[in-house]
Amino acid sequence: GENVEQHPSTLSVQEGDSAVIKCTYSDSASNYFPWYKQELGKRPQLIIDIRSNVGEKKDQRIAVTLNKTAKHFSLHITETQPEDSAVYFCAARPNTGNQFYFGTGTSLTVIP
Amino acid sequence: GAGVSQSPSNKVTEKGKDVELRCDPISGHTALYWYRQRLGQGLEFLIYFQGNSAPDKSGLPSDRFSAERTGESVSTLTIQRTQQEDSAVYLCASSSNRGAVGAFFGQGTRLTVV
Repeated sequence: GENVEQHPSTLSVQEGDSAVIKCTYSDSASNYFPWYKQELGKRPQLIIDIRSNVGEKKDQRIAVTLNKTAKHFSLHITETQPEDSAVYFCAARPNTGNQFYFGTGTSLTVIP
Repeated sequence: GAGVSQSPSNKVTEKGKDVELRCDPISGHTALYWYRQRLGQGLEFLIYFQGNSAPDKSGLPSDRFSAERTGESVSTLTIQRTQQEDSAVYLCASSSNRGAVGAFFGQGTRLTVV
């Protein structure tokens, strides 16, 4: 089955700096990669996603890149703000079904 | 409904009692997932329903855990003879199988076993 690894587990950045979270996956059949943000005490919320036919996708201050050959994808947050502080989860979904495989999460702290 | 709805939001139960957690998925979503999240931890997969196919129960931690779903509607997760280690937030999510779309989560049920 698919195995998703996520690094780092914790990340602290100064407000205004960039943050990068990286994930790797094992199943070449995975073709859809969503990212979730979970604020303290809240549900995970889908913030951005990327399909395997695209190398990069941007939405304002967040972007996701995908390298299918290397089987890794990354979340980039620019000009970080305190409200970006949360736990971020990556996930992969193989095209053989509808199951999602989640990374272990990255706790991001943006220091004002 | 507009989103995934779970009930109850909070549940406190005595050790040894059975509990039933409910999930109402987004209308039309064929896939439904249950996850467990212990405090400060990640998302632990429990069970996955896809339409009328046999559910993927590979994540259920013991035979005290079971889940049902009728068609593409409501699902219930049942924990029998609850133990203190069952204390966690139980999250339900649903997804459409049409195209590349993510799973959408409910607000969760916080279960405390005392």
